[in-house]
Amino acid sequence: RKEVEQDPGPFNVPEGATVAFNCTYSNSASQSFFWYRQDCRKEPKLLMSVYSSGNEDGRFTAQLNRASQYISLLIRDSKLSDSATYLCVVNMGYAGANNLFFGTGTRLTVIP
Amino acid sequence: NAGVTQTPKFRILKIGQSMTLQCTQDMNHNYMYWYRQDPGMGLKLIYYSVGAGITDKGEVPNGYNVSRSTTEDFPLRLELAAPSQTSVYFCASSAGTGDQPQHFGDGTRLSIL
Repeated sequence: RKEVEQDPGPFNVPEGATVAFNCTYSNSASQSFFWYRQDCRKEPKLLMSVYSSGNEDGRFTAQLNRASQYISLLIRDSKLSDSATYLCVVNMGYAGANNLFFGTGTRLTVIP
Repeated sequence: NAGVTQTPKFRILKIGQSMTLQCTQDMNHNYMYWYRQDPGMGLKLIYYSVGAGITDKGEVPNGYNVSRSTTEDFPLRLELAAPSQTSVYFCASSAGTGDQPQHFGDGTRLSIL
């Protein structure tokens, strides 16, 4: 089993739609969680951290389910500018600094 | 606000040539990382550093070397370029390893022909 798994998509949704991505992780002791956004041929950029209580930033909502070992990202009222690949990133809590694991990403295309 | 700066942005090498990918950050972060990303694939960790003078191997270190003489700089060296090293290389830094996210440079696109 991979440390972090995501549905690669692509997800093609119309403008204004609501779309949700899930990401599962292998280590129940994982400590922190993030969603990154990566535009085509660009670097990953932090979209939001994921807190145990869930958190919201405008149209974006992130949730953590420790019992089932998954995190989710919900995007409401999708915009064309939301088209990108969304990376799930998990700190597995291993000793040392080599403990951040990246999913392969879920590709989203928002269609006019 | 520079953040993490990588140079060059693009480079074409011949098989067997060597080169150094430069990375510098101005955020005073102790932790720095080098990743490679192949088309349609996730990021793979090559090397990382927890502070000046300390480096360690990641998942795919073969064919690469690093050094960390200062907090700011973390260059990646390719000694004998091979076609399998054609990739996009990202440098990143972070303030810590717990709930601290990593900040990425804008990448170096490297082709080995």
